Amino acid sequence: GAVVSQHPSRVICKSGTSVKIECRSLDFQATTMFWYRQFPKKSLMLMATSNEGSKATYEQGVEKDKFLINHASLTLSTLTVTSAHPEDSSFYICSARDYGRRVGNEQFFGPGTRLTVL
Amino acid sequence: AQKVTQAQTEISVVEKEDVTLDCVYETRDTTYYLFWYKQPPSGELVFLIRRNSFDEQNEISGRYSWNFQKSTSSFNFTITASQVVDSAVYFCALSESTSYDKVIFGPGTSLSVIP
Repeated sequence: GAVVSQHPSRVICKSGTSVKIECRSLDFQATTMFWYRQFPKKSLMLMATSNEGSKATYEQGVEKDKFLINHASLTLSTLTVTSAHPEDSSFYICSARDYGRRVGNEQFFGPGTRLTVL
Repeated sequence: AQKVTQAQTEISVVEKEDVTLDCVYETRDTTYYLFWYKQPPSGELVFLIRRNSFDEQNEISGRYSWNFQKSTSSFNFTITASQVVDSAVYFCALSESTSYDKVIFGPGTSLSVIP
């Protein structure tokens, strides 16, 4: 149980295009999902917290208009990188909290999406 | 201020050696959770352990063991008889009661186990 998927796993796009990454909780409901960014050989940095049915909360320094987050259902959150540039190339990881299992504050992580902007 | 410190950036050991990965955390909360995650080259995070601040019992799971010392704010991770498959980046992480939704990751320790 508690599986989180991400799609696509890898994406290569041209500079200036927009890319959408999906994060799904497959066997549980997630009122809250999180988006992280990881640069090569670096740690995970929280970008934003996504709550179902409301606006995402962005961490300081993260551009809201650049990284659009939508959490339209209890099992799906999307991250859209708008007008992508090479510096947006990174590994993006989502995680989700199980609404029915709040003990322990555990988040379940997706497998990540590697974005390369040419 | 960095809340989770992993002083060892990279460690190399020979197979079958024991290795300890250090983690020091900083928090003012009395209630918090500590985690260890493994990130193999594939990139997917693998959950290893969660420990709450009220449970200082050390834990052993197979070749893995964890030593939680509140007095020194440390949560160290030991791999006994290391194997090549243990090669990965290991992250220690903290979640505080005042911001339960956020998990703060340490910088990670890259472990290489040499055959």
